[in-house]
Amino acid sequence: RKEVEQDPGPFNVPEGATVAFNCTYSNSASQSFFWYRQDCRKEPKLLMSVYSSGNEDGRFTAQLNRASQYISLLIRDSKLSDSATYLCVVIPGGYQKVTFGTGTKLQVIP
Amino acid sequence: DGGITQSPKYLFRKEGQNVTLSCEQNLNHDAMYWYRQDPGQGLRLIYYSQIVNDFQKGDIAEGYSVSREKKESFPLTVTSAQKNPTAFYLCASSTGTGGEGKLFFGSGTQLSVL
Repeated sequence: RKEVEQDPGPFNVPEGATVAFNCTYSNSASQSFFWYRQDCRKEPKLLMSVYSSGNEDGRFTAQLNRASQYISLLIRDSKLSDSATYLCVVIPGGYQKVTFGTGTKLQVIP
Repeated sequence: DGGITQSPKYLFRKEGQNVTLSCEQNLNHDAMYWYRQDPGQGLRLIYYSQIVNDFQKGDIAEGYSVSREKKESFPLTVTSAQKNPTAFYLCASSTGTGGEGKLFFGSGTQLSVL
């Protein structure tokens, strides 16, 4: 089983739609979780951290389910500018290697 | 401004040649990472370093080498043993402290084989 797994998509959704991505991880000792956004041929940029209690930033909501070992990202009212690849990141804690999911591609259609 | 600088932006390698990708950060971060990204794929970890003069292999270290002689610098050498080096290479750094390892990325180097 891969350390971090994501559905690669692509997810093609109309503007204004709500879309959700999941990311599963295998290491139960993982401590920190993040969602990154990557535009084509650019470096990934931090979108938001993921906390156990769930957290929201505008149209974006992130959640963590430790029991089932997955994190999720919900995007409401999709915009054309949301089109990108969304990468989940899982960190075991302290000074250890940082593992990325393969990414989920989102295409928002007019 | 603080950040991570990768150079060059584009690099071409001839068969059998070693090439070195530069990564410098002035964020005073302890941890640094090198990732490889192939078209339509995610990021795969090549090497990472938690402290000066120490580094560990990632998932795809074969054909690559690194050094960490200074906190600010973590160069990656793509050796002739790497038979398929064409990819987008990303360097990142983080504080790495207590799990709060948010990564900051450089703008990447596109390596191609002539």
